Amino acid sequence: AQKVTQAQTEISVVEKEDVTLDCVYETRDTTYYLFWYKQPPSGELVFLIRRNSFDEQNEISGRYSWNFQKSTSSFNFTITASQVVDSAVYFCALSEVSFTGANSKLTFGKGITLSVRP
Amino acid sequence: NAGVTQTPKFRVLKTGQSMTLLCAQDMNHEYMYWYRQDPGMGLRLIHYSVGEGTTAKGEVPDGYNVSRLKKQNFLLGLESAAPSQTSVYFCASKVEGSSYNEQFFGPGTRLTVL
Repeated sequence: AQKVTQAQTEISVVEKEDVTLDCVYETRDTTYYLFWYKQPPSGELVFLIRRNSFDEQNEISGRYSWNFQKSTSSFNFTITASQVVDSAVYFCALSEVSFTGANSKLTFGKGITLSVRP
Repeated sequence: NAGVTQTPKFRVLKTGQSMTLLCAQDMNHEYMYWYRQDPGMGLRLIHYSVGEGTTAKGEVPDGYNVSRLKKQNFLLGLESAAPSQTSVYFCASKVEGSSYNEQFFGPGTRLTVL
């Protein structure tokens, strides 16, 4: 069975600090997909990034970067120079590979609440 | 393009009452999902559908029923609400094909059962 663990439940930082959100996953599949979603105080879920299990390249998008390490089953998310607008709950999620959709489901971690103080 | 919409946004029920949550998407997505979000639990899949007329159980289906009579709509029903069903409910949709495609989420429905 798939499992996503986000061991940090709440993180509080001061603006401009860097912060890393950890995600560890378990799966028996050799091919899978990983996602990060952001849930701001307004409540909606916003897609941030996906990663294919065959692609271990790190990715950077502005102040956001992701470190995928298959050897440690981790997909960590770093925010550089954090801002108050980054305050949100962040979810890591894992998807089985399915080309028919029958098992096209996401398994979510419990989420990390990030508070960025001015 | 409204994306994924959910009706209603808030609802308060008494134990034993029934209600239906409506999810609508205008992106012509084949797959649709219902999740519930509880504090400290993340999102858990209730039911999902891979096409019009099809539904399947997710991780926590008990106490809920669903229907997908039209491709763009996915209904979640509570026949006899219980306080344990107090939660925030999210609907999501996805294009068909590979699991690589991300799910698009609606704004959520906050349900309280007294």
